[in-house]
Amino acid sequence: DAGVIQSPRHEVTEMGQEVTLRCKPISGHNSLFWYRQTMMRGLELLIYFNNNVPIDDSGMPEDRFSAKMPNASFSTLKIQPSEPRDSAVYFCASSSTGLWGYTFGSGTRLTVV
Amino acid sequence: GQQLNQSPQSMFIQEGEDVSMNCTSSSIFNTWLWYKQDPGEGPVLLIALYKAGELTSNGRLTAQFGITRKDSFLNISASIPSDVGIYFCAGQLMRGAGNNRKLIWGLGTSLAVNP
Repeated sequence: DAGVIQSPRHEVTEMGQEVTLRCKPISGHNSLFWYRQTMMRGLELLIYFNNNVPIDDSGMPEDRFSAKMPNASFSTLKIQPSEPRDSAVYFCASSSTGLWGYTFGSGTRLTVV
Repeated sequence: GQQLNQSPQSMFIQEGEDVSMNCTSSSIFNTWLWYKQDPGEGPVLLIALYKAGELTSNGRLTAQFGITRKDSFLNISASIPSDVGIYFCAGQLMRGAGNNRKLIWGLGTSLAVNP
């Protein structure tokens, strides 16, 4: 199994630009999570999906952030417009029902200048 | 958002020493997890604990789920250089079980090992 695959690994963009982060969960996993990691706030859950349906998006910072999961094998996290304070490492993780151990991807390091 | 109290924040030890770190909460948890994150990678699950009082080992790692359900510790015995990284605790609150798969996270313990 290839694990959770995220792309791109690194993204540098200018303030105001749209950023799209991509995630392919592990095949057969039915829960998908988007996290943001910063030194100050640690790991923050942004949103999670169960069977492609958003269950809890209370961690999404503001309307500039949106996430979709059109099918069981793909999800996107979009930031539009991006701001310097969005700079962080964004992780996608997936899990199966009954398993509390998520499998994380390698993350996307986003820098907004 | 809610976070677990994880300590110590960082540790610098000599190779071969034992390490202990812990997490506490004012709330009751029904699952505790310990993860390790290497630089440039996502966290990787080390140990999962599901019952109060449970003591589980994974090689040189041992973790326990506190009897009160409000704490957990992780021990690493005979540390080696590849133990370097950030260790996170995470847990699921007792209430809101079922479909709620949200985890609460500690801020991590950064471990450095001097060869």
